[in-house]
Amino acid sequence: AQSVTQPDIHITVSEGASLELRCNYSYGATPYLFWYVQSPGQGLQLLLKYFSGDTLVQGIKGFEAEFKRSQSSFNLRKPSVHWSDAAEYFCAVGRTGTASKLTFGTGTRLQVTL
Amino acid sequence: GAVVSQHPSRVICKSGTSVKIECRSLDFQATTMFWYRQFPKQSLMLMATSNEGSKATYEQGVEKDKFLINHASLTLSTLTVTSAHPEDSSFYICSAREAAGGNTEAFFGQGTRLTVV
Repeated sequence: AQSVTQPDIHITVSEGASLELRCNYSYGATPYLFWYVQSPGQGLQLLLKYFSGDTLVQGIKGFEAEFKRSQSSFNLRKPSVHWSDAAEYFCAVGRTGTASKLTFGTGTRLQVTL
Repeated sequence: GAVVSQHPSRVICKSGTSVKIECRSLDFQATTMFWYRQFPKQSLMLMATSNEGSKATYEQGVEKDKFLINHASLTLSTLTVTSAHPEDSSFYICSAREAAGGNTEAFFGQGTRLTVV
């Protein structure tokens, strides 16, 4: 079965600093990968996704992620974090070769200090 | 496009009562909808897959008699939490996809926060 690991439960960065959130997945074939952001009490917002092609994916709000098959990773990055980026970030993988039924990681809570 | 709407966004109910949550695809026909549950400060766990016109498929450990799912039309799926108890308090979120292709992604609603008192 597919699984997703987000090793960092909580990360604190200073505003303006760079950010990398880690995500490792377990799936035999090429996975469908997603990053979502969730603000407190809110729903999910899709940041970016990888289906195929270029392994460096650009998303909204200045985020990008890189698919590395050799490392089974799909880490999320942002060069300069803004205070409004403070939220919970979830990595997800499509189950059994679909892009719609998802398995989520446990999430990483990002705190931004001013 | 691809807007999914959930209603209500928040609901408080008394223990022992039932609560219905609606998930609507506003600008597309959803052949399949998915229901997830998120406990406080935890991740999202898939509860069930709902296909229009057929019975829902529940994930292991999810009580189908407790969480009734109906997908009677291509734009509406409902989740009814029956005889709700405080432990059912959670954030419920649906997603919907249009076509059945493997690379068709699903779009999420804004979620419903259920509090059972």
